[in-house]
Amino acid sequence: DQQVKQNSPSLSVQEGRISILNCDYTNSMFDYFLWYKKYPAEGPTFLISISSIKDKNEDGRFTVFLNKSAKHLSLHIVPSQPGDSAVYFCAASGIKAAGNKLTFGGGTRVLVKP
Amino acid sequence: GAGVSQSPSNKVTEKGKDVELRCDPISGHTALYWYRQSLGQGLEFLIYFQGNSAPDKSGLPSDRFSAERTGGSVSTLTIQRTQQEDSAVYLCASRQKRESEQYFGPGTRLTVT
Repeated sequence: DQQVKQNSPSLSVQEGRISILNCDYTNSMFDYFLWYKKYPAEGPTFLISISSIKDKNEDGRFTVFLNKSAKHLSLHIVPSQPGDSAVYFCAASGIKAAGNKLTFGGGTRVLVKP
Repeated sequence: GAGVSQSPSNKVTEKGKDVELRCDPISGHTALYWYRQSLGQGLEFLIYFQGNSAPDKSGLPSDRFSAERTGGSVSTLTIQRTQQEDSAVYLCASRQKRESEQYFGPGTRLTVT
């Protein structure tokens, strides 16, 4: 059973426009959520996170929104840049659980067209 | 400072052989994780270390997989009698404190022929 799902395997967006990536989760024990970006042949790079006590966190061009009642989070990138072209993974963990292991979604491949 | 490093970056092995994958976490990071990404899949948790002990091994797919960590630093993931389905990118991550992100290494791409 997939506890974290990214239903859009790919997304294409024009440079300068907004990219919106979505993620749904099923486990109500998750209380910490992260987005990672991955280029080919590299490890995932941390982008932004949000705790379940918040509904929004912003860092430069990246904003993560959390809707706990819907068990849904989204990542907004604005404005999108060609260097943002990568695979984006949503991840979740339970801080109260031992270890804080991450459960990942399947990823969304983003292509930003110049 | 130095990030998480992993070696080798690529490993091709014959079915049935044993392999060892190494991870050097960021200095001072007490928590260490192994994940793997099979072709077309997301990242899958394998094992977690806190210091030298492994409180959560729930993601290891079979008893052919084992891992250890020594000196609270370097970790080795060993796969015995490799099978073709073991082919994947094996990623290591480390974390400094409980409410913080995990930092990933570049991964080891394992191909079992």
